[in-house]
Amino acid sequence: NAGVMQNPRHLVRRRGQEARLRCSPMKGHSHVYWYRQLPEEGLKFMVYLQKENIIDESGMPKERFSAEFPKEGPSILRIQQVVRGDSAAYFCASSPAGQGTNEKLFFGSGTQLSVL
Amino acid sequence: SQQGEEDPQALSIQEGENATMNCSYKTSINNLQWYRQNSGRGLVHLILIRSNEREKHSGRLRVTLDTSKKSSSLLITASRAADTASYFCATNQGAQKLVFGQGTRLTINP
Repeated sequence: NAGVMQNPRHLVRRRGQEARLRCSPMKGHSHVYWYRQLPEEGLKFMVYLQKENIIDESGMPKERFSAEFPKEGPSILRIQQVVRGDSAAYFCASSPAGQGTNEKLFFGSGTQLSVL
Repeated sequence: SQQGEEDPQALSIQEGENATMNCSYKTSINNLQWYRQNSGRGLVHLILIRSNEREKHSGRLRVTLDTSKKSSSLLITASRAADTASYFCATNQGAQKLVFGQGTRLTINP
């Protein structure tokens, strides 16, 4: 059973370009979480999705950032018109059920986004 | 702002010694979890302790939870060089997401 798969592992974009980060949760997991991590810091929650629904996007900037988890295919975190401050590691995690049921999260290896 | 706050921010000990890390939080929780992160990698779940539990063991790991003080500790006994990593506590606060602390960077010196 493959773990959480994120791609690309590294993504380099110039200012103003779009970044698309992909996450395939573990088989059987329908809950996906996106986190962002700056160097030497903890993870900051961005968005929580279930299949086809955004449950909590309170940590995601209102502009330029969007996320989806379609019925078929991976979850996508999209950053439009990237700026240097978007440079960070973006981690995806999945679980079979929501956090209200005491579930642990399974993390991917992350996508390191570098904005030139 | 992050819910969990780990203490210390960095810890360096000799191989074989015990390592203790602490975590404080601010609101009521359903559970508290500890994760480990090796440099450049994703987080790996270590242990989950529910709000009605006071202590839990897993191998060389021992976790305590004091809900009256809103704090938890992670003890790693007989540390090994391979334990070098960052350790994070996370709480769900009854909400639908885990909130992570800033982490403790643990270095085990051979």
